[in-house]
Amino acid sequence: EAQVTQNPRYLITVTGKKLTVTCSQNMNHEYMSWYRQDPGLGLRQIYYSMNVEVTDKGDVPEGYKVSRKEKRNFPLILESPSPNQTSLYFCASSRQLTYGYTFGSGTRLTVV
Amino acid sequence: AQSVSQHNHHVILSEAASLELGCNYSYGGTVNLFWYVQYPGQHLQLLLKYFSGDPLVKGIKGFEAEFIKSKFSFNLRKPSVQWSDTAEYFCAAHTGGFKTIFGAGTRLFVKA
Repeated sequence: EAQVTQNPRYLITVTGKKLTVTCSQNMNHEYMSWYRQDPGLGLRQIYYSMNVEVTDKGDVPEGYKVSRKEKRNFPLILESPSPNQTSLYFCASSRQLTYGYTFGSGTRLTVV
Repeated sequence: AQSVSQHNHHVILSEAASLELGCNYSYGGTVNLFWYVQYPGQHLQLLLKYFSGDPLVKGIKGFEAEFIKSKFSFNLRKPSVQWSDTAEYFCAAHTGGFKTIFGAGTRLFVKA
């Protein structure tokens, strides 16, 4: 089944404790992206990747890092999480952006 | 700046009522438009997309949307909603490059 897999689904952590949210897709898509979803703000793009080793900032990149060492994986790294990063995070991939995205199931992160 | 506006944040309808959700984008060039649906507790799924050609686009589950270039609009419609259509609906625009911009979302609640 074609899908985008994120882990974990839920995560509660403390301020400053580094964490990684994994994302993997099995569709051989070149394009991958991370979004955060906050009430009333919709989805805001954090980072995106056009291909292996090619990444760029989205609209809200502060406090996040990404890497794209393999085509299928695009992890999101929070080096020192803060409470304002409490949010619902979605990974998405696309063969071509004109076709739209396939989204993962989301990761609900709480930073206390 | 490019943006996508969804003017209705919350909509409440009774079953069998007709639905129209507004979406406006701000961009003067070629644009690809999308509607995504997010059922409670789930990830976003693509409902329909406009790429080119016929401005009336039909999607899954009886939804359709009309692209009106002169009004910069891409409103979502359904003639008769069901309780199972209760969800949050997001309009999105890809204006070239590597970015897709999402609206803030519209929460639809359908009363049985």
